[in-house]
Amino acid sequence: KAGVTQTPRYLIKTRGQQVTLSCSPISGHRSVSWYQQTPGQGLQFLFEYFSETQRNKGNFPGRFSGRQFSNSRSEMNVSTLELGDSALYLCASSFGGGRTSGRRSNEQFFGPGTRLTVL
Amino acid sequence: KQEVTQIPAALSVPEGENLVLNCSFTDSAIYNLQWFRQDPGKGLTSLLLIQSSQREQTSGRLNASLDKSSGRSTLYIAASQPGDSATYLCAARGGSQGNLIFGKGTKLSVKP
Repeated sequence: KAGVTQTPRYLIKTRGQQVTLSCSPISGHRSVSWYQQTPGQGLQFLFEYFSETQRNKGNFPGRFSGRQFSNSRSEMNVSTLELGDSALYLCASSFGGGRTSGRRSNEQFFGPGTRLTVL
Repeated sequence: KQEVTQIPAALSVPEGENLVLNCSFTDSAIYNLQWFRQDPGKGLTSLLLIQSSQREQTSGRLNASLDKSSGRSTLYIAASQPGDSATYLCAARGGSQGNLIFGKGTKLSVKP
């Protein structure tokens, strides 16, 4: 069974540009969550999509946005990049939780991440 | 607001030693707690998931416990090996559809 995949693995951008990151979840998973990891702040939750709808959102500015497609693949977009956006961006997939989905249905499985460097 | 803390931030042990990693959380109303391992520059690997109704989970040489009343979880690694060297992260979930709140991790180094 294939794991979570993220593309691209590495990106170098300059301030002011915008970037789109992609995440393909494990087959059958309907929830995709995005996290930002930096040495100073650690892992911080960005947002979660479930069945093409944003279900949860972290405390990030509106420059960070996302979407999910009908096949559960998700994209994350960051506009007007700042130096502080340099980070490892991780996505995680799960079945999505809920009463009918089983006790382990919200166990999250992570992809390898996209390393974004903003110059 | 849930906060998750992991102490120590770094730990170095000789090969073969049994060790305990600590995780504490401020809000005991968690849905579950998940332990992960992260190798340098890589994503996270799920190790163990403990539901709020459970006291512990075991997988091979790993055992994780959960004490909601005291806001603590521990990850016990038996007979440590150099391949166990990595950063270990714990994360608490507040509801069945809530997001994970992560600690900053414990960087473990197992010396041969």
